[in-house]
Amino acid sequence: DVKVTQSSRYLVKRTGEKVFLECVQDMDHENMFWYRQDPGLGLRLIYFSYDVKMKEKGDIPEGYSVSREKKERFSLILESASTNQTSMYLCASSWSGNEQFFGPGTRLTVL
Amino acid sequence: GQSLEQPSEVTAVEGAIVQINCTYQTSGFYGLSWYQQHDGGAPTFLSYNALDGLEETGRFSSFLSRSDSYGYLLLQELQMKDSASYFCALPSGNTGKLIFGQGTTLQVKP
Repeated sequence: DVKVTQSSRYLVKRTGEKVFLECVQDMDHENMFWYRQDPGLGLRLIYFSYDVKMKEKGDIPEGYSVSREKKERFSLILESASTNQTSMYLCASSWSGNEQFFGPGTRLTVL
Repeated sequence: GQSLEQPSEVTAVEGAIVQINCTYQTSGFYGLSWYQQHDGGAPTFLSYNALDGLEETGRFSSFLSRSDSYGYLLLQELQMKDSASYFCALPSGNTGKLIFGQGTTLQVKP
């Protein structure tokens, strides 16, 4: 089975802290994605990567950065967390096709 | 740009059939996908339509009409476990990137 894991299910941080969210996939997928999910807004793409060290901005990249040093790992970084970044963060991976495999999500609360 | 519209909520009774509609706007069409997400869970892939017509997978079917920029997910013989959110999604080019609709919450009642 394809497995996408995320480093934490729940995370509480303070405003201004630097936050790292880690995602690892075990299926040698080329593409990896970070979304945030908020009630009534669906899944919004923050960043995605189609190869190691390659990244592209999604629809809402402001306040975020990413790192992909190894194919299996894609990190989302909040340089200075703010309360409006309180959300559910979902990582996904895929081959070039349409089926994305999602991790369990990290519910981040910024106080 | 790309956008999708789907109803925010649908309610149906156990054993019934329900249809969740999705209309979309896109400059380049690469297919329409559907995902299911249970409360507190991760989205999981249900189906993908690249061509017009109906694709059937067990109790779930997905339909596409490219000329109408419209698709739907059909759930038959509804079960309580089908209560979840359902998202339609548009692939964006060949990058594997998806644009998701806002989701339809399906509530199945006894």
